[in-house]
Amino acid sequence: KAGVTQTPRYLIKTRGQQVTLSCSPISGHRSVSWYQQTPGQGLQFLFEYFSETQRNKGNFPGRFSGRQFSNSRSEMNVSTLELGDSALYLCASSLFTTNTEAFFGQGTRLTVV
Amino acid sequence: GIQVEQSPPDLILQEGANSTLRCNFSDSVNNLQWFHQNPWGQLINLFYIPSGTKQNGRLSATTVATERYSLLYISSSQTTDSGVYFCAVVTTDSWGKFQFGAGTQVVVTP
Repeated sequence: KAGVTQTPRYLIKTRGQQVTLSCSPISGHRSVSWYQQTPGQGLQFLFEYFSETQRNKGNFPGRFSGRQFSNSRSEMNVSTLELGDSALYLCASSLFTTNTEAFFGQGTRLTVV
Repeated sequence: GIQVEQSPPDLILQEGANSTLRCNFSDSVNNLQWFHQNPWGQLINLFYIPSGTKQNGRLSATTVATERYSLLYISSSQTTDSGVYFCAVVTTDSWGKFQFGAGTQVVVTP
C-alpha cells in the first residue's frame, strides 16, 4: 500500500512570505501529526489531528497552523516566514491517536532566504 | 514533560561488529518506536515496541517498560546501517505526540 506522501519535497521561500505544506496519510489512517527538525532543536512536535480535530499542539507560535480534511489529508501553513523556520518538516500518520504504529513521510525541506 | 535520553550520541563501528543503542525515558509510555533516518531525511520504521522483544533480520529490540528503557541491537553491521537512530515515545496523556530522543549517529566503516 502507498506510504505517507508529503508535497512538495523541497521549497525555497523569502522571509515574510507564507507557505503551505501537504501530507496525505496512509489509506485508512485517521491521525496525522507534524514535526519540525532542525540541527539545533532536533525533532519537535507541531500538532496532531484526528478526524479533522486538532487534538494536541506543540509549543510553536501562532504563525504555525494546520488543518485536516474529511479524507484525512492534512496541511500545515506557516505565515510571515522567518529565517529560523528553515527546517525539515515531517508528517506522520497512524490508524488512531494512541497505541498504534506511526509512519513518516519523506519530509518537506523548507529553506527561507 | 517526559524526558528521552539516547546513548551513546555517536558510534563508530567496523563492518561486521555488533552494537547496542539505549533509550531511557522518564515516564510511562503507551508507544515506543525506533527509527532510522536515511540520508534524505525520511524516518524509516524499525520497531514498534512499547514492551517486549522483537527481531527483524540483523536488528532486534527490547523494551522493559517497568524500568523505562529500550535497547536496539545491531548485529553484523553493514555500511548501509550508517545514519541516525531515533527512539520516540508517546505517553498516555500526550495524544499522538512523539517525544524524540536526540538520536545516536552511527557510522559503519568498511
